[in-house]
Amino acid sequence: AQKVTQAQTEISVVEKEDVTLDCVYETRDTTYYLFWYKQPPSGELVFLIRRNSFDEQNEISGRYSWNFQKSTSSFNFTITASQVVDSAVYFCALSDTSGTYKYIFGTGTRLKVLA
Amino acid sequence: EADIYQTPRYLVIGTGKKITLECSQTMGHDKMYWYQQDPGMELHLIHYSYGVNSTEKGDLSSESTVSRIRTEHFPLTLESARPSHTSQYLCASSEYRPVTDSGPYFTDTQYFGPGTRLTVL
Repeated sequence: AQKVTQAQTEISVVEKEDVTLDCVYETRDTTYYLFWYKQPPSGELVFLIRRNSFDEQNEISGRYSWNFQKSTSSFNFTITASQVVDSAVYFCALSDTSGTYKYIFGTGTRLKVLA
Repeated sequence: EADIYQTPRYLVIGTGKKITLECSQTMGHDKMYWYQQDPGMELHLIHYSYGVNSTEKGDLSSESTVSRIRTEHFPLTLESARPSHTSQYLCASSEYRPVTDSGPYFTDTQYFGPGTRLTVL
């Protein structure tokens, strides 16, 4: 069975602190895709990144970075020098490659960045 | 990136009313999805479609129905709204396409609309 676990329900940090959001997944597929989405208070889900299982290279985009480790089945997301605008719920997702390509979402981590 | 629209953004309605939540996308994506999200944050897939005249029920049982008569349009209908239907409804679309920079692999990134917050009194 496929599963995504985001064990951190809520995290609070002070502005300019670094914060890491954890994502652990389970799958029997050899090829799969992982995603991170941001959901600000306005409600829409904003796509942040897609990672393919055959590419373990870490990625950096501005203050955002992602650490993908197949050995520990983790795909963690780090925000450097957090800002108030980073306050949102962040979802990790795993793509089902059985042919339906449905997503398995984690339960989300609410990040509060305090000024 | 997809341009995907949902209307209305907010809806407050009485029990027993019939409602239709609209979802449209302008990117020609073949796949579309409806998710239900309760205040506890968890997302539940309730319907999806792989193309015109194709609809499937998702992982969470829902009393709603959907139709896909046009590629760009994927409305969700509740025949008789009840307070238990109070939730946020998110529509998404995606396109199955090759990941050109990483060998013979394909991916299917879902892009979401702004959501409809439904309250049934």
